[in-house]
Parts: sequence; C-alpha cells; structure tokens
Amino acid sequence: DAGITQSPRHKVTETGTPVTLRCHQTENHRYMYWYRQDPGHGLRLIHYSYGVKDTDKGEVSDGYSVSRSKTEDFLLTLESATSSQTSVYFCAISGLGHSSHEQYFGPGTRLTVT
Amino acid sequence: RKEVEQDPGPFNVPEGATVAFNCTYSNSASQSFFWYRQDCRKEPKLLMSVYSSGNEDGRFTAQLNRASQYISLLIRDSKLSDSATYLCVVTRNLYDKVIFGPGTSLSVIP
Repeated sequence: DAGITQSPRHKVTETGTPVTLRCHQTENHRYMYWYRQDPGHGLRLIHYSYGVKDTDKGEVSDGYSVSRSKTEDFLLTLESATSSQTSVYFCAISGLGHSSHEQYFGPGTRLTVT
Repeated sequence: RKEVEQDPGPFNVPEGATVAFNCTYSNSASQSFFWYRQDCRKEPKLLMSVYSSGNEDGRFTAQLNRASQYISLLIRDSKLSDSATYLCVVTRNLYDKVIFGPGTSLSVIP
C-alpha cells in the first residue's frame, strides 16, 4: 500500500469554526489531491497540488483553502466550517509519467459539522 | 449531462456468475481510463487501467470503445470478496485532472 496517512480520521466540529485536515505521504510523489465524497455525487476534486507551493482549484473549491510547504504534506483548511461541508475527505497522490493518473488514496477523514 | 456516467445498480449476483459494468464518458478527447474499487467506508483503490486494445487481469477484463465512448469491466466467476462499488475514471491528458464516475454497486450473494 502507498504510504499515505490522513489526520484526524474523524472529527466533529461546530459551524463557524476553522478546521484543518492533514495529508502526509512517504512516497515523494509530486501530485497531491483533496477530494470529498458524498452520496449521489461520487468523488469531487476540491484542490490539487503539482509541487511545493504550487496548487490549483478543483470543481468544488469554494470554502476551502490548501497549502503545501513540503513535498510530503498537503493541508486542507475549512476557514469557517458549514454543515454542507459534512463529508468524507480523501487525499490522493500520483506520480509522474505514464502512471501519473493512477492515484493512490489515503484512508479518509470523516468530518461532521454540527 | 455528467462527464462520466455509470449505472448505480445495485447489481446483485450469485457467486460464480459473470457480471459486466459499463461506463460512458461525454468528452471525446478523453485519453486515459481506469477502474477503481471502493469497499464500504474505505478509500478507493486502483483496480486496473484500461488500454485501447483491452486488457485482462485474472478474472477481470476491461475494454474501451472509443467510437461509442464507453468502457466496460467484466468480472468472471464472481467471489463474495468482489462485493464493492466500482468507480470508472476518465482523464483527458497527462496534465488534466481525473473525473470519477459515481460508481456501480455490486453485491455477490452466496
């Protein structure tokens, strides 16, 4: 299995509070991604990174920000959590070359915003 | 219309059966195709890439039909452990993001 961890694995927070989720990889892969998964929507890309300090928006980026100061860490921040951000969040990584779109996922973080 | 569509199922099949899933994509410029598997409350895992000539991995066979813009996954001799959701994934080029389909649920019944 790819060396990807996410923390925390579960979190319950209140509306309006800031939340930061962490993704850590030991594979030295260049690309990292944050997705959310909700019933009826499948996996939707929030933000992705193609290198240290290089990030871009995905299809559902409103309300989220990211940072990548080291190759191994990709942080997702909800500046002011809302109930619509209750979801399962997955981090993924991919490498270079022909296999660059083969993504490997972390175990996920279940976030509940009350 | 969604960029990648799948029949959500559920597909309920007996052990030993053969089952096939289709996935359609709307963008004719799509280049790379994959099948992922996701167990309940777990992360998606890459099952196999889909090549233009089709490819097989044990009991699993993937096919691509560019003219009709769909990919398929065939599972032969279904096992109980095959029960999962199968996600179709499409991307347009090397530097483009991947698009996940909503998934097809499979339950293999004893």
